[in-house]
Amino acid sequence: DAKTTQPPSMDCAEGRAANLPCNHSTISGNEYVYWYRQIHSQGPQYIIHGLKNNETNEMASLIITEDRKSSTLILPHATLRDTAVYYCIVRVPSNSGYALNFGKGTSLLVTP
Amino acid sequence: DVKVTQSSRYLVKRTGEKVFLECVQDMDHENMFWYRQDPGLGLRLIYFSYDVKMKEKGDIPEGYSVSREKKERFSLILESASTNQTSMYLCAGGWVGELFFGEGSRLTVL
Repeated sequence: DAKTTQPPSMDCAEGRAANLPCNHSTISGNEYVYWYRQIHSQGPQYIIHGLKNNETNEMASLIITEDRKSSTLILPHATLRDTAVYYCIVRVPSNSGYALNFGKGTSLLVTP
Repeated sequence: DVKVTQSSRYLVKRTGEKVFLECVQDMDHENMFWYRQDPGLGLRLIYFSYDVKMKEKGDIPEGYSVSREKKERFSLILESASTNQTSMYLCAGGWVGELFFGEGSRLTVL
């Protein structure tokens, strides 16, 4: 699996957009980018994933650069409840015999 | 809603005890996973299973074993608990990168 690099921590003001970067310069053509987050004292929660096109759902948007070597998770209007650790993971999708490797992620603090 | 349920949120055990952590999913997934999480180390994969009676070692399997007798249940076993196994244990089920996690079991070994 391709290695990912994320900043250890970020701050964001409530109501502003939170842009969380992830570098995955060794990504291969069939690997997807997945984002999860973990709110304190809870299990991680799936947010979004993509291959090369930008993706959007009710939680966030995912922007993947054209060369696929980096991506950005965007929370358009951050709230205090978005304070969490955000994990960027690169993986080949498979229905069996696989596991996701979580790194240390980015700790996002949303402030009032 | 999909659901992964871990049997105990908090456990306190003594060194040398045998510990069972139970996880049940109602999603009919083949894949289930056990992770542990420690401050500064992130989530680390202990074991996973992609079918009944099948198991694969993760990154840190030493001191642990697992059991998958039924599709919906995946148990983590500490044969002889040690203080360095004090941790948060997280069970997950899912496929193609979309994992659903339980709430976690915080184990303290004295």
